[in-house]
Amino acid sequence: EVQLEESGGGLIQPGGSLRLSCAASGVTVSNSYMSWVRQAPGKGLEWASVIYAGGETFYADSVKGRFTIFRDSSKNTLHLQMDSLRLEDTAVYYCTRVFQGVIDDWGQGTLVTVSS
Amino acid sequence: DIQLTQSPSTLSASVGDRVTITCRASQDINIWLAWYQQKPGKAPKLLISQASTLKSGVPSRFSGSGSGTEFTLTISSLQPDDFATYYCQQSYSYPLYSFGPGTKVEIK
Repeated sequence: EVQLEESGGGLIQPGGSLRLSCAASGVTVSNSYMSWVRQAPGKGLEWASVIYAGGETFYADSVKGRFTIFRDSSKNTLHLQMDSLRLEDTAVYYCTRVFQGVIDDWGQGTLVTVSS
Repeated sequence: DIQLTQSPSTLSASVGDRVTITCRASQDINIWLAWYQQKPGKAPKLLISQASTLKSGVPSRFSGSGSGTEFTLTISSLQPDDFATYYCQQSYSYPLYSFGPGTKVEIK
């Protein structure tokens, strides 16, 4: 059974930085297509960033240049480094595993609140 | 970028009703469409992939159909546990697959 557990969310001021972590079990992060999907309060789902098994990364235009997705193979953990945070980055961030284009595994989510 | 629209945005229905949600894509995505169910405060759950393949363990009252640009999610007999928000997602255009805006199914 795949389990994904996010951590690192919290309250941060605009312009600040935060690093999210996703500890995985039942799946090898470095061999998988992993992504971060976010959901602003009361809004829909948005893909923020993905990382392929081969290490290639992609970002939504809304976060490009500010967010970095990376993984720690030794700890089987996925990360999302978020810099230059904006009010509109406020959201629940879900760590997910993508298989054949669909998300079959989701973490419980971690809330990031950007506010002064 | 492929855009997805869903209709209706909100649907009021009663237990036992047959419910249909439509998802339309801005271009042909073949059968590369998935459906998710999300309840308040919870992560979404995959219901259907490749337009009509029911995930193991999902009740058979859920079904999906369509191809190309128009897709439907049908709940044959709405149950109390089905009141939730439903999202479609295209898996045709990678790497950042897009979601539809969601359809909230409410109690009438």
